Amino acid sequence: AQKVTQAQTEISVVEKEDVTLDCVYETRDTTYYLFWYKQPPSGELVFLIRRNSFDEQNEISGRYSWNFQKSTSSFNFTITASQVVDSAVYFCALSVIFSGGYNKLIFGAGTRLAVHP
Amino acid sequence: SAVISQKPSRDICQRGTSLTIQCQVDSQVTMMFWYRQQPGQSLTLIATANQGSEATYESGFVIDKFPISRPNLTFSTLTVSNMSPEDSSIYLCSVGGLSSYNEQFFGPGTRLTVL
Repeated sequence: AQKVTQAQTEISVVEKEDVTLDCVYETRDTTYYLFWYKQPPSGELVFLIRRNSFDEQNEISGRYSWNFQKSTSSFNFTITASQVVDSAVYFCALSVIFSGGYNKLIFGAGTRLAVHP
Repeated sequence: SAVISQKPSRDICQRGTSLTIQCQVDSQVTMMFWYRQQPGQSLTLIATANQGSEATYESGFVIDKFPISRPNLTFSTLTVSNMSPEDSSIYLCSVGGLSSYNEQFFGPGTRLTVL
């Protein structure tokens, strides 16, 4: 079965704190991709990162970093020195190939992050 | 990345009516996807729309309730038919490319409230 679990429903932090959003996935595929999306209050879904199953290097982009560990089927997302503008719902997603060779995304339940001044 | 627009951005509709949501992309794309996000919930794929063929619906979604058109490579519509309050959701279209595992880019969404 293909599944994404984001166990943290809501997280509340004070500005400048570091925060890690957890993502655990399940798949039988050996080749797959993982994604993180941000959904601010406006509702639009913003693509943050894509990671393939063969690349376990951690990635850093500004205040954002991602830790991919195949051994634990986790793809965690850390925001360093959080800011109020980081307040949003964050979704982790797993890409699944279906017939025709195209991918579709299976989303986790999302984690609502509230950053307070 | 593709630029995606949706119309309307939001609407309030009466029970029993239908609403057609439009999705326009600024470049030609092979696959377009329609998702539903119920209040406080995650995204669920409704169907995949490939130009020139019937849409492929996910389990729990049927064509009579959510008819989809895909007349060309830059446009698609989703109709929510015979609406009930349970259809109140954000409906998002997204696009993906020819390559497997492409990231999908999402439109701004249509916020639908059914009274």
